[in-house]
Amino acid sequence: GAVVSQHPSWVICKSGTSVKIECRSLDFQATTMFWYRQFPKQSLMLMATSNEGSKATYEQGVEKDKFLINHASLTLSTLTVTSAHPEDSSFYICSAPQAGAASYNEQFFGPGTRLTVL
Amino acid sequence: QKEVEQDPGPLSVPEGAIVSLNCTYSNSAFQYFMWYRQYSRKGPELLMYTYSSGNKEDGRFTAQVDKSSKYISLFIRDSQPSDSATYLCALGTGGGNKLTFGTGTQLKVEL
Repeated sequence: GAVVSQHPSWVICKSGTSVKIECRSLDFQATTMFWYRQFPKQSLMLMATSNEGSKATYEQGVEKDKFLINHASLTLSTLTVTSAHPEDSSFYICSAPQAGAASYNEQFFGPGTRLTVL
Repeated sequence: QKEVEQDPGPLSVPEGAIVSLNCTYSNSAFQYFMWYRQYSRKGPELLMYTYSSGNKEDGRFTAQVDKSSKYISLFIRDSQPSDSATYLCALGTGGGNKLTFGTGTQLKVEL
């Protein structure tokens, strides 16, 4: 299957700083990518849909000014957590659907980025 | 009421057992049904997907969908310790590829 990578896999930062997380589709192009957040022992919660060449679409309750998303190319989307606080500590996962003839497009997930804000 | 309900477990079974994992949902707009496996501190990987009521088999895994009851299941035959992970059901309406996940069931297969 297709491969999605994330960088970094683990980051610790001080409260008030900003952190950038990259999501790359390695062997396919993705006009859309999804960003999820997962707290311990909880499910994945969709934060936003990243669209290549246009603004991201945020889910209800997600602050767009705090979680900046940029989808500058067909293989790269970035999520920047601005002015991070301890409550932003979580596991952030991206996914990308691989386009195909079927109406359902299989989504491939990255390995996740664990963010710890001190 | 959550759109997708899944028992979080943990579920502990002996090696070789048949495992049954289930999700119920309330939104009849869901047309695509997936099961993902997630190991600790890793991203989810797709195990099975289906879009119609009935059974779909792939090796030791069988996905079952009952749209009339809004109930989906994943069966694992001859379970192995390597199957120990969290299993998430995910449902989609098709438009935009957005998925709604269950909370995940933590499975432990013991020797």
